[in-house]
Amino acid sequence: DGGITQSPKYLFRKEGQNVTLSCEQNLNHDAMYWYRQDPGQGLRLIYYSQIVNDFQKGDIAEGYSVSREKKESFPLTVTSAQKNPTAFYLCASSIRAGANYNEQFFGPGTRLTVL
Amino acid sequence: ILNVEQSPQSLHVQEGDSTNFTCSFPSSNFYALHWYRWETAKSPEALFVMTLNGDEKKKGRISATLNTKEGYSYLYIKGSQPEDSATYLCASSGGSYIPTFGRGTSLIVHP
Repeated sequence: DGGITQSPKYLFRKEGQNVTLSCEQNLNHDAMYWYRQDPGQGLRLIYYSQIVNDFQKGDIAEGYSVSREKKESFPLTVTSAQKNPTAFYLCASSIRAGANYNEQFFGPGTRLTVL
Repeated sequence: ILNVEQSPQSLHVQEGDSTNFTCSFPSSNFYALHWYRWETAKSPEALFVMTLNGDEKKKGRISATLNTKEGYSYLYIKGSQPEDSATYLCASSGGSYIPTFGRGTSLIVHP
């Protein structure tokens, strides 16, 4: 089955530690995205990548970093510089920006709790 | 940043009731409007994509309309069922093609 996988589902880290969230897709999509959701908030864009080896900051990129070395993978690192990292993180992909009206396909999400 | 607003924030209805939600978005430089359904413990899934003023889409008991001139879309559910319980997200995109999501409307349908 084609889709997007995120692992792990739940993640606990101590304050001050960097943590990397995994996102893999086998849909052959060019574009990938990371969103953050907090209670009562919409999905807020952290980073997006429209092609391998290229990515752009979204609305709330501070304290996060990404890489896009392979088409299938778009890992997100939550660094110790992120002041409030506890949140639900969703990864998504689309065929490519501007194609199919940019319909997004989502993974199941990772809930990160920083203790 | 586009401001996408959804109302109401949450809604409780009885099985069989019909209901509707609103999504408002900036009407300038409009590209597309998406509705997604997000059930608990699942991933959000696309319901509709609309691009033209006056678009109407329907999937079973769920339908949506689009007014790009005034910047709003309505989602209607006819004869709500418990399995319709979910958060409904709308997302609007402009020239950059990158969508901005609203906060969602949480619908709970009571049997």
